[in-house]
Amino acid sequence: DIQMSQSPSSLSASVGDRVTITCRASQSIDRYLNWYQHKPGKAPKLLIYAASSLHSGVPSRFSGRGSGTDFTLTLSSVQAEDFATYYCQQSYSFPWTFGQGTQVEIK
Amino acid sequence: EVQLLESGGGLAQPGKSLRVSCRASGFTFSGYGMSWVRQAPGKGLEWVSAISGGGGGTYYADSVKGRFTISRDNANNTLILQMDSLRVDDTAVYYCTKETSMVHTSFDFWGQGTLVTVSS
Repeated sequence: DIQMSQSPSSLSASVGDRVTITCRASQSIDRYLNWYQHKPGKAPKLLIYAASSLHSGVPSRFSGRGSGTDFTLTLSSVQAEDFATYYCQQSYSFPWTFGQGTQVEIK
Repeated sequence: EVQLLESGGGLAQPGKSLRVSCRASGFTFSGYGMSWVRQAPGKGLEWVSAISGGGGGTYYADSVKGRFTISRDNANNTLILQMDSLRVDDTAVYYCTKETSMVHTSFDFWGQGTLVTVSS
């Protein structure tokens, strides 16, 4: 199985900060990497698919990069509504797997 | 508008069975693969199972293989997860998700989730 590892596990940021979250796969997954945002009590939302493609309706302050084993999700200027937990997920091979999550908190 | 509405969650004893369902609307259900994703209390997201649009392909996480069965009723736009031999660590919110039809599969729509609690 492909293991997904995110760092950091949590971070504190102020509104307007630039934030970067890293996701590493245990083997190459090409660009089969997605990013989701999850707020407590809500359904998760797709942000980025295929490593760098922005899902419809997602603000352009979100961006993704990477291929192979190393990926990043960047929020160029964190807004109040962005405080949530973020997950990466590989769809390269079954079983599909998620990273453990990165909680973005208000400083 | 895509809508996914889960039902059937609740309390079950260890070793017993439970069935959760997901009624889909707003898209051509048979044209898309579907998955179940769960979140145990205080834990992260875990993919559980997937099924192809026609139902001929099914896939499972190792943690549920042999105990859970995914199926779909395309005539009634319904996704089903039959959970047998339930364990305490199956306790979670179970989300129904729609998969994209692209080569790079992702979960583009999610239901609100249904809580399954396994406890004696």
